[in-house]
Amino acid sequence: AAGVIQSPRHLIKEKRETATLKCYPIPRHDTVYWYQQGPGQDPQFLISFYEKMQSDKGSIPDRFSAQQFSDYHSELNMSSLELGDSALYFCASSSSRESSGANVLTFGAGSRLTVL
Amino acid sequence: RKEVEQDPGPFNVPEGATVAFNCTYSNSASQSFFWYRQDCRKEPKLLMSVYSSGNEDGRFTAQLNRASQYISLLIRDSKLSDSATYLCVVNPWGFKTIFGAGTRLFVKA
Repeated sequence: AAGVIQSPRHLIKEKRETATLKCYPIPRHDTVYWYQQGPGQDPQFLISFYEKMQSDKGSIPDRFSAQQFSDYHSELNMSSLELGDSALYFCASSSSRESSGANVLTFGAGSRLTVL
Repeated sequence: RKEVEQDPGPFNVPEGATVAFNCTYSNSASQSFFWYRQDCRKEPKLLMSVYSSGNEDGRFTAQLNRASQYISLLIRDSKLSDSATYLCVVNPWGFKTIFGAGTRLFVKA
């Protein structure tokens, strides 16, 4: 079965550079989420999109922006990178049409960003 | 107070042991509850949803206590492969999903 696809899997950037992460949700999933997980930390919610509109916003820095495109894929853009941005970035998707009504998230394998 | 709180552990148990994790949540109107499992440097994966009536999946049993606002996960007959971080996840409303900090489990031979 198709899963959530994230690219790139690994990314190394210098301070003050920009980075873009991509996420392709499971087909027919209408909601995409972005999470940041630092070393030894729990996943921190950044932002979500439902049907290409921002649905919720968490602890996303102003230097970061994201959007969901017409094909439902999403991109997380990070500018003026800082050392503290080094983390695993997970994308997850879900369907609002789950028969159980539960909001079950399926995660991608993550993109590991290292800022030097 | 965090919206979802878990005992971070670590829990160190021998193979075959029974271990239980608890998780408390602050929003009494929360709708859905889950346990996810996360292996080191991997993505979280759904272990099981938690229903009001309690549910069981093999060696795993999940319980929900709405009155006390906690959920639990019981693992029986622990295996080495159960070593992982177990994340309590709560869906307070709509698209909002809150993760607990995770409970680390080490199962030793």
